[in-house]
Amino acid sequence: QKEVEQNSGPLSVPEGAIASLNCTYSDRVSQSFFWYRQYSGKSPELIMSIYSNGDKEDGRFTAQLNKASQYVSLLIRDSQPSDSATYLCAVNIEKRTGANNLFFGTGTRLTVIP
Amino acid sequence: EAGVAQSPRYKIIEKRQSVAFWCNPISGHATLYWYQQILGQGPKLLIQFQNNGVVDDSQLPKDRFSAERLKGVDSTLKIQPAKLEDSAVYLCASSLEVQGRGPVRGYTFGSGTRLTVV
Repeated sequence: QKEVEQNSGPLSVPEGAIASLNCTYSDRVSQSFFWYRQYSGKSPELIMSIYSNGDKEDGRFTAQLNKASQYVSLLIRDSQPSDSATYLCAVNIEKRTGANNLFFGTGTRLTVIP
Repeated sequence: EAGVAQSPRYKIIEKRQSVAFWCNPISGHATLYWYQQILGQGPKLLIQFQNNGVVDDSQLPKDRFSAERLKGVDSTLKIQPAKLEDSAVYLCASSLEVQGRGPVRGYTFGSGTRLTVV
């Protein structure tokens, strides 16, 4: 089982709709969860972080975390064509050595249709 | 705040040649990472430094890849000799670390170096 799994998509939604992106992770003790947006040919850009169960809202973005189900999601309200990108879920995993690092999913490609 | 600087942006080399990438992290970020991102995949960690020490290099192909961060600031990643499957974007990232919590604000990535091995 991979550390972080995402549906690769592609996911297409009409402009103004809600886009829902999902992610599951394998490490039960993970504490930090992140969503990155990556435009084609660009580097990943952090858009949301979440550490506690429940919802966290930032503008049109809402991250949801359910540690019992090992599930993280990102909702994008009022989707805009400029939201078209690949969204990467990242989970911080602490190894037995004590090293903390981020494991990334393969990303979900989102297209918002005008 | 200046971002993570990387160079070069693009590099094309023939297989079996060597190549080096440079990274300068955000000032004050003690932790530096090198990731490899193959087209269509998520970034994969190659090596993690805390100051000038290696924290994790378990996924670094040490027969051909090497990295250093001599003064705890800049870092270089080298590939020698390169193979066709090394074609990827090499991303450098840095972070603030909080003990027991990992990166507080996630990682900040540089613009990456796109390597093509022909």
